[in-house]
Amino acid sequence: DADVTQTPRNRITKTGKRIMLECSQTKGHDRMYWYRQDPGLGLRLIYYSFDVKDINKGEISDGYSVSRQAQAKFSLSLESAIPNQTALYFCATSPNGAWETQYFGPGTRLLVL
Amino acid sequence: AQSVTQLGSHVSVSEGALVLLRCNYSSSVPPYLFWYVQYPNQGLQLLLKYTSAATLVKGINGFEAEFKKSETSFHLTKPSAHMSDAAEYFCAVSLLSNFGNEKLTFGTGTRLTIIP
Repeated sequence: DADVTQTPRNRITKTGKRIMLECSQTKGHDRMYWYRQDPGLGLRLIYYSFDVKDINKGEISDGYSVSRQAQAKFSLSLESAIPNQTALYFCATSPNGAWETQYFGPGTRLLVL
Repeated sequence: AQSVTQLGSHVSVSEGALVLLRCNYSSSVPPYLFWYVQYPNQGLQLLLKYTSAATLVKGINGFEAEFKKSETSFHLTKPSAHMSDAAEYFCAVSLLSNFGNEKLTFGTGTRLTIIP
C-alpha cells in the first residue's frame, strides 16, 4: 500500500462549490504539506503543518483552508472554488528537519468549471 | 529568503548522450539542495540531495549532482541518457531556520525528452 494517499484522484466541480481534498500518510511523520502544480510554475506551497496543533500559510493560501485532524491526516478545502484553482494538487510528508526528504502522494487533478 | 532558478524549461537529448539539467540557487545561509523527478501521472520522488557532506552527490538511476558554492549551482548530470529518463525534473532548496518555518522552495521544472 502507498505511504501517502490522496482522495479523490480526479475531481470536476463548478464555480462556487466547496470542495475538500484529503491526504493520509502511514509514514509516521509529523510534517505535512499541500502544494499545487501549474504548468511552467513548478510547485507552490499552499499550507503546511509541523504537528497536529501547528498550521502555517504558504505562499498561495488565499482561497484555501486546511485541517489537521490527526498526525496522519491533513485536508485541504476550497471554500468557494474558482476556475483559476484548476490545477494538480499534491500532499507531502516529511520527518522533522530542513534536510529531510519530502514524500509525495500521487496527486489530485482538479478542474473547476 | 531562498530561491531556485532552473535554466531551460525543456531539454531534449539523444539516447546515450549526456544529460545536463541546470539549477542555480540563492540563499542567505548554507542551503540544503534537492533534485526531485516526476514521471508522467505520478507524484514527485527524490532523486538526490545535498546536505553539506560531500559536494558530489550520487542519486538513483545513475544521476549525480555537484554543489558548487562559488557558482551557487547544483546541476544534475547523467553520462548516458536512457528512454526511461523522460520525465520532469525539479530542483529545490531548503534552509535551516531558528523560527521553525523551514520550507522547500521549488524551481519551475525542466521537462526532459529523450530522442531515440
